[in-house]
Amino acid sequence: GQNIDQPTEMTATEGAIVQINCTYQTSGFNGLFWYQQHAGEAPTFLSYNVLDGLEEKGRFSSFLSRSKGYSYLLLKELQMKDSASYLCAVKDSNYQLIWGAGTKLIIKP
Amino acid sequence: IAGITQAPTSQILAAGRRMTLRCTQDMRHNAMYWYRQDLGLGLRLIHYSNTAGTTGKGEVPDGYSVSRANTDDFPLTLASAVPSQTSVYFCASSEGSGDYNEQFFGPGTRLTVL
Repeated sequence: GQNIDQPTEMTATEGAIVQINCTYQTSGFNGLFWYQQHAGEAPTFLSYNVLDGLEEKGRFSSFLSRSKGYSYLLLKELQMKDSASYLCAVKDSNYQLIWGAGTKLIIKP
Repeated sequence: IAGITQAPTSQILAAGRRMTLRCTQDMRHNAMYWYRQDLGLGLRLIHYSNTAGTTGKGEVPDGYSVSRANTDDFPLTLASAVPSQTSVYFCASSEGSGDYNEQFFGPGTRLTVL
């Protein structure tokens, strides 16, 4: 079967750094996506990785290791508005996205 | 207004009733998708369409049907609603269906079946 695992919930302090991990087992791999979803809203795209390594975009970075079936999303200089769920998704051999259940990130002042 | 719209925003429905959720995009995207999102579970694909005139089944298609008569619209129909179909439904679209194709999501429809 196909499986995406990520922690259910994490807590961090405003101004700090947090790393959200994602491990996956899928039939094929055509890229890994991270989305942000605020409560009651739609998911919005954050990042895409298809090759091993780190992709940096402002305060957010995403890392991929295909051999380990592992990715992480790194959020720096946390702000209260970063309180949201972060969804990891892998595009499989059929080019369909398989989604993790999401990590709820709580930011404390 | 560029983007995806969904209607209705929310709906309470009696079991056994027929219901169509509407989805329209104005980005001229080729691919469109319907997902359901339930607490504690990831988004699950119901049906998809890679281009107008074609549709395919996702992970959880039973009890749902779709059509794609044109590029912009992708309605989802529940023929006879059951309580297990209570969920938040998201429509999404992407320019294509290949490896890098970011999906853009509509605001969602919150459906309760009693």
